Amino acid sequence: EAQVTQNPRYLITVTGKKLTVTCSQNMNHEYMSWYRQDPGLGLRQIYYSMNVEVTDKGDVPEGYKVSRKEKRNFPLILESPSPNQTSLYFCASSLGTSGRRSYEQYFGPGTRLTVT
Amino acid sequence: KQEVTQIPAALSVPEGENLVLNCSFTDSAIYNLQWFRQDPGKGLTSLLLIQSSQREQTSGRLNASLDKSSGRSTLYIAASQPGDSATYLCAVIMRSGGYNKLIFGAGTRLAVHP
Repeated sequence: EAQVTQNPRYLITVTGKKLTVTCSQNMNHEYMSWYRQDPGLGLRQIYYSMNVEVTDKGDVPEGYKVSRKEKRNFPLILESPSPNQTSLYFCASSLGTSGRRSYEQYFGPGTRLTVT
Repeated sequence: KQEVTQIPAALSVPEGENLVLNCSFTDSAIYNLQWFRQDPGKGLTSLLLIQSSQREQTSGRLNASLDKSSGRSTLYIAASQPGDSATYLCAVIMRSGGYNKLIFGAGTRLAVHP
């Protein structure tokens, strides 16, 4: 089954304790990205990757890191989490993003993170 | 800067009603527009993708239209059912920094009661 998986689904942590949220897709997609969703603000892009070893900042990258060492995986790293990073996080992937024929985005189930 | 607005923010209707969800965007230079459904505790499910050259797309009881010049899209749900209860998100896809980027609205939360 074609899917995007994220782990963990729920996480409660304390300020300053490094954490990683994993994201994996089995569709051989080139493009992957991370979003956070906050009430009233919709989804905002954190980072994206156009292919292996190619990553760039989205709209709200502060406090986050990513890496893309393999095509299927795109982990999100919070080196020193803070309470304002409490949010619902989504990973997404698509076949590609170039040209006018944009490819459909596939989303993971979400990771609810609480930082106390 | 592109801004995407969805109205209403919340909607409650009785089962069987036909309903329209609205999405507006400020910059008409978009490639495509995508409608998603989000269920509580779950990810986003793509409903319809409308390319900029198209005026509408249909899937079952759903019909989405796109008017680029006026910056509007509507999602029409026919004969609503309780199972349609969810949050509906629209996202415009446009060129940004060498790649295609999604910009989301805040969503419309729909409740269909029996």
